[in-house]
Amino acid sequence: AQSVTQLGSHVSVSEGALVLLRCNYSSSVPPYLFWYVQYPNQGLQLLLKYTTGATLVKGINGFEAEFKKSETSFHLTKPSAHMSDAAEYFCAVRMYSGGGADGLTFGKGTHLIIQP
Amino acid sequence: DTGVSQNPRHKITKRGQNVTFRCDPISEHNRLYWYRQTLGQGPEFLTYFQNEAQLEKSRLLSDRFSAERPKGSFSTLEIQRTEQGDSAMYLCASSLGLGLTDTQYFGPGTRLTVL
Repeated sequence: AQSVTQLGSHVSVSEGALVLLRCNYSSSVPPYLFWYVQYPNQGLQLLLKYTTGATLVKGINGFEAEFKKSETSFHLTKPSAHMSDAAEYFCAVRMYSGGGADGLTFGKGTHLIIQP
Repeated sequence: DTGVSQNPRHKITKRGQNVTFRCDPISEHNRLYWYRQTLGQGPEFLTYFQNEAQLEKSRLLSDRFSAERPKGSFSTLEIQRTEQGDSAMYLCASSLGLGLTDTQYFGPGTRLTVL
């Protein structure tokens, strides 16, 4: 079964600093990878996704992520943090199972704190 | 596009009672998913529908959980004989059903508290 590990339940950065949120997955076949953001009292919103093709994926709000097969990683970055980026971030994987299971498998999430 | 809506947003019930949650997907979406999210965890996939057909239900947590989507539009998730461990946020998502790469759009969730 696939799984996702997010390193660091809480990450704190200063406003204007680089944001790096780590995600590693386990898979025996190439996965489809997603990053979602969850603001308080709001639903999950897709930031970006990797399916096939270019391994550097650009998303909304200045975020991007790079798929590295050799490292089984899909880390999320943003060059300059903004106060509005404070939220919970989830990495997720979706795989064809043959048995029909078609949901997303999420990591435990990383709470991003932006310090002024 | 009004987004995915869920009702109620909050539900408080006593142990042993039955509860039902409703999800209205984005109108043209034919896939609908249910997830559960407990405190400090990521969402956990429960089940999904392609139109009115429930294609995966082995992930439902127990036989006390059931879901329906009778006309391929809105869906309901029912929990019978609730237990305190059922306290969680229940999330619904929908998608166009274009395949494994299509985007799931999530609703705001229903927070269940079992006393």
